[in-house]
Amino acid sequence: KAGVTQTPRYLIKTRGQQVTLSCSPISGHRSVSWYQQTPGQGLQFLFEYFSETQRNKGNFPGRFSGRQFSNSRSEMNVSTLELGDSALYLCASSLAGAEAFFGQGTRLTVV
Amino acid sequence: QKEVEQNSGPLSVPEGAIASLNCTYSDRGSQSFFWYRQYSGKSPELIMSIYSNGDKEDGRFTAQLNKASQYVSLLIRDSQPSDSATYLCAVPRGKLIFGQGTELSVKP
Repeated sequence: KAGVTQTPRYLIKTRGQQVTLSCSPISGHRSVSWYQQTPGQGLQFLFEYFSETQRNKGNFPGRFSGRQFSNSRSEMNVSTLELGDSALYLCASSLAGAEAFFGQGTRLTVV
Repeated sequence: QKEVEQNSGPLSVPEGAIASLNCTYSDRGSQSFFWYRQYSGKSPELIMSIYSNGDKEDGRFTAQLNKASQYVSLLIRDSQPSDSATYLCAVPRGKLIFGQGTELSVKP
């Protein structure tokens, strides 16, 4: 059974650009959550999607957005990138918001 | 008070010893609890789930839950250097609420 797949694994962007990250959940999982992790900040929740609907949202500016498709794949977008957006972005999938399994993450560097 | 709290460590134990990691939570209604292990530069990996009071054992790992005292712990027996990682406690409340993690270092 394939795990959670995140693409790309690494990304370097310039300030002011935008970026789109992709996440394919475990087959059959309908819940996808996104987290940002920076050194010293821990895992910070961005948002959660279930059956194409955003069910929960963390305390991030509107530059951070996401969506989920009918096949449960999810994307998150960050517009007008700032240096502080440099982080490991993690996607986690679960059957119904319980045990969550993480992808390998996308490491975003903003220069 | 944070919803999920852990000692940040670092916790250092010698190889072969028992490592004890603790987590407290604020919501008395919480029903399930998860332990994740995260190696440096990697993503978190689910290692234990516990839903009822008492102990749950899986190999060298034992999770202990005490709902009355609102704490959950993770014991690692016969600790190995490969167990050196950050251990995260998580509680689902619509989304997973993570503690700040405890860094464990197992010295050979």
